[in-house]
Amino acid sequence: GIQVEQSPPDLILQEGANSTLRCNFSDSVNNLQWFHQNPWGQLINLFYIPSGTKQNGRLSATTVATERYSLLYISSSQTTDSGVYFCAVDPGGYNKLIFGAGTRLAVHP
Amino acid sequence: GAGVSQSPRYKVAKRGQDVALRCDPISGHVSLFWYQQALGQGPEFLTYFQNEAQLDKSGLPSDRFFAERPEGSVSTLKIQRTQQEDSAVYLCASSFGGGRNEQYFGPGTRLTVT
Repeated sequence: GIQVEQSPPDLILQEGANSTLRCNFSDSVNNLQWFHQNPWGQLINLFYIPSGTKQNGRLSATTVATERYSLLYISSSQTTDSGVYFCAVDPGGYNKLIFGAGTRLAVHP
Repeated sequence: GAGVSQSPRYKVAKRGQDVALRCDPISGHVSLFWYQQALGQGPEFLTYFQNEAQLDKSGLPSDRFFAERPEGSVSTLKIQRTQQEDSAVYLCASSFGGGRNEQYFGPGTRLTVT
């Protein structure tokens, strides 16, 4: 089955720093989503981005489907950005998401 | 309207007990999914419903796991004769379906089997 790899696995930032999280996937996908899992366990939708570029405030994402990767950019990080960031893909319309192992982000004041 | 809701939020079961976990999807969402998340890992797919039809149950780990959505809205995940390895967070998600496939997740039910 499809493989989803996220890097880096762990990231520590000072408040105000910028970062880039990467998601590589091994096959074509119909759907790609980025989530933030907060310390209470809630998965929060960040982007639905099977291709192209989107921006939402301090966050932006780019998916290059032909090269099978997606990037999540966080600018001017805040302590509330801490948590785990997951990339998840739907491989070819099977209507289920396959998740990567996540990037654990800690933002210190 | 409201997001996906799940109940109970926490459940402690003794090994061998049966449990039932409930999911209320977003109103109007045709597709409903169950995932299992072990500690420190990403969620893993269990099963998928389109309305009341269970179209994919390939992720259910054993025949002790059973899911239903009889009226195409609320869904229940039932685990019979719970084992310690069933301890995990069980997440429910829903989407509009019909090509509008962005999934929205509930807060999860944390199951601990003692």
